Amino acid sequence: EVQLVQSGAEVKKPGESLRISCKGSGYSFTSYWISWVRQMPGKGLEWMGRIDPSDSYTNYSPSFQGHVTISADKSISTAYLQWSSLKASDTAMYYCARRTVTRGFDYWGQGTLVTVSS
Amino acid sequence: EIVLTQSPGTLSLSPGERATLSCRASQSVSSSYLAWYQQKPGQAPRLLIYGASSRATGIPDRFSGSGSGTDFTLTISRLEPEDFAVYYCQQYGSSPGFTFGPGTKVDIK
Repeated sequence: EVQLVQSGAEVKKPGESLRISCKGSGYSFTSYWISWVRQMPGKGLEWMGRIDPSDSYTNYSPSFQGHVTISADKSISTAYLQWSSLKASDTAMYYCARRTVTRGFDYWGQGTLVTVSS
Repeated sequence: EIVLTQSPGTLSLSPGERATLSCRASQSVSSSYLAWYQQKPGQAPRLLIYGASSRATGIPDRFSGSGSGTDFTLTISRLEPEDFAVYYCQQYGSSPGFTFGPGTKVDIK
């Protein structure tokens, strides 16, 4: 069974760093890109960027370029999303999703809620 | 970057009625790499339709997708109580921007 399991909810202060994770199982992790998607409270879905776990090549949405870093460790089938300095506006639910070439984002993680507050 | 527009923003219907949701792209979506997702409160999105018209595994046949180029439609033939949710379209063919539309909320009239 394909699964993407994300790390738990986080509460951080502005200026702190954070890394959240997404562990894939039940499939060949290096065969599918992983994307990260942001959903701010009460808002829609925003594609942030993606990584090819086979070579760690990344692409970012212009809206998120330079604000977050996406990485992966294929040895443990895990992708990461990290911030070096959080802002209150980073408060959101973050989802990882597996992207297939023809079928879109077919599996999603359960989401990680990040709350940034002083 | 391809921009997706969805209409209407909210659709108020009764169970048993037909729902027609629209998604328009700012430029042609390559190879009909257009997907539809359903999201219920507190849940992750779920893939409904890919390739503009193919149902994902386990999706009931009351859900259908159509369209090509820049205009796409999701139709729910007869709304069931569990279908009241937010629906997003997404293009996933134009790397790097796998953009989503703003969503259509289908609520109970």
